[in-house]
Amino acid sequence: AAGVIQSPRHLIKEKRETATLKCYPIPRHDTVYWYQQGPGQDPQFLISFYEKMQSDKGSIPDRFSAQQFSDYHSELNMSSLELGDSALYFCASSPGTAGYTFGSGTRLTVV
Amino acid sequence: GNSVTQMEGPVTLSEEAFLTINCTYTATGYPSLFWYVQYPGEGLQLLLKATKADDKGSNKGFEATYRKETTSFHLEKGSVQVSDSAVYFCALSDREEDSSYKLIFGSGTRLLVRP
Repeated sequence: AAGVIQSPRHLIKEKRETATLKCYPIPRHDTVYWYQQGPGQDPQFLISFYEKMQSDKGSIPDRFSAQQFSDYHSELNMSSLELGDSALYFCASSPGTAGYTFGSGTRLTVV
Repeated sequence: GNSVTQMEGPVTLSEEAFLTINCTYTATGYPSLFWYVQYPGEGLQLLLKATKADDKGSNKGFEATYRKETTSFHLEKGSVQVSDSAVYFCALSDREEDSSYKLIFGSGTRLLVRP
């Protein structure tokens, strides 16, 4: 079965650079979620989209933005990167119900 | 606000031992409850879920029962294997008006099973 695809799997950036993470949801899933998991921490909700509109917002820094496109894929844009942004970034998709499928994540390292 | 509290790890067990990882929650509504497992270097996998009181979720020998009276969702397995070594996250989803089914996670419990 198709899963949630995230790219890239690993990303190394320098401080103050920008990064773009991509997420391709399971076909026919209309809702996408983004989470950030710092080293040894639990995942924290960043933002979600339903039918290409932002549906909820969590602890997402102003330096970050995200959108969902007409094909339902989503991108998380991160600017002015800081060392503290180093984390695993997970995307998940859902057909609009509770309990959803996570992607394998993108590991971002800021040096 | 909504929150999840789970027992701190690491939990170290011998193979075939009985496992319990405690999880309690605080929620204003009627949340759905989940257990996710994360193997080293991998993403989050849904292990089991329960959507209403007294529901029992089960998968791969793991079980958890949604107890509204004690606001708990403890994870159990009768006989653990070395391959069960991972971090286990308890989570809830309580969709509020004009919101989404975002998940609120506990802090995770690392399980180490020794041969």
